[in-house]
Amino acid sequence: ETGVTQTPRHLVMGMTNKKSLKCEQHLGHNAMYWYKQSAKKPLELMFVYNFKEQTENNSVPSRFSPECPNSSHLFLHLHTLQPEDSALYLCASSQDSAGGTGELFFGEGSRLTVL
Amino acid sequence: GENVEQHPSTLSVQEGDSAVIKCTYSDSASNYFPWYKQELGKRPQLIIDIRSNVGEKKDQRIAVTLNKTAKHFSLHITETQPEDSAVYFCAASIVGGSQGNLIFGKGTKLSVKP
Repeated sequence: ETGVTQTPRHLVMGMTNKKSLKCEQHLGHNAMYWYKQSAKKPLELMFVYNFKEQTENNSVPSRFSPECPNSSHLFLHLHTLQPEDSALYLCASSQDSAGGTGELFFGEGSRLTVL
Repeated sequence: GENVEQHPSTLSVQEGDSAVIKCTYSDSASNYFPWYKQELGKRPQLIIDIRSNVGEKKDQRIAVTLNKTAKHFSLHITETQPEDSAVYFCAASIVGGSQGNLIFGKGTKLSVKP
């Protein structure tokens, strides 16, 4: 596998479920990101990790919990979500997050539907 | 914080025509402006970017122009082809700043009709 891979590609969950999204990058990058993509809205930055340290939490509700065990892996743990959380969740990586200098490499995304 | 506005939200052109997408930004300190293309069901990919020390950059049929005074930048696609059909996102960030993460526009859905 090369690039940025995300699993699962599709996920349907109830409001009381707990699930996790996984992202893995094989590019040797040091920064990883979670973005939310909803219809007719900009790509919304959720979390940034640089060298495994969280450097940004963009006022995301606590029902979304990120985890970055190493520079190659990023998780997004989901619990007690709301229907309005249904969206495409995109993972991305870059060489580093310093000043947005690096090209973002996106995964294919995880399409989440909350019933 | 930075705010990026993008217009139009949809654009339909005939194959061979030119397409122009415009973005404005609010933070005069922003100095890096990339454009991403997202084909249907695929991931966004960088197609071209420009930094504030230049006014224009070209790559084959794609060009980007930047007007720092007016705080707007544009993507120009010439001789459009059906494979140019996609959603295009502009973005802005501050290179070297403490909050350098990209802020994206809402996207423009470009349809190229054969």
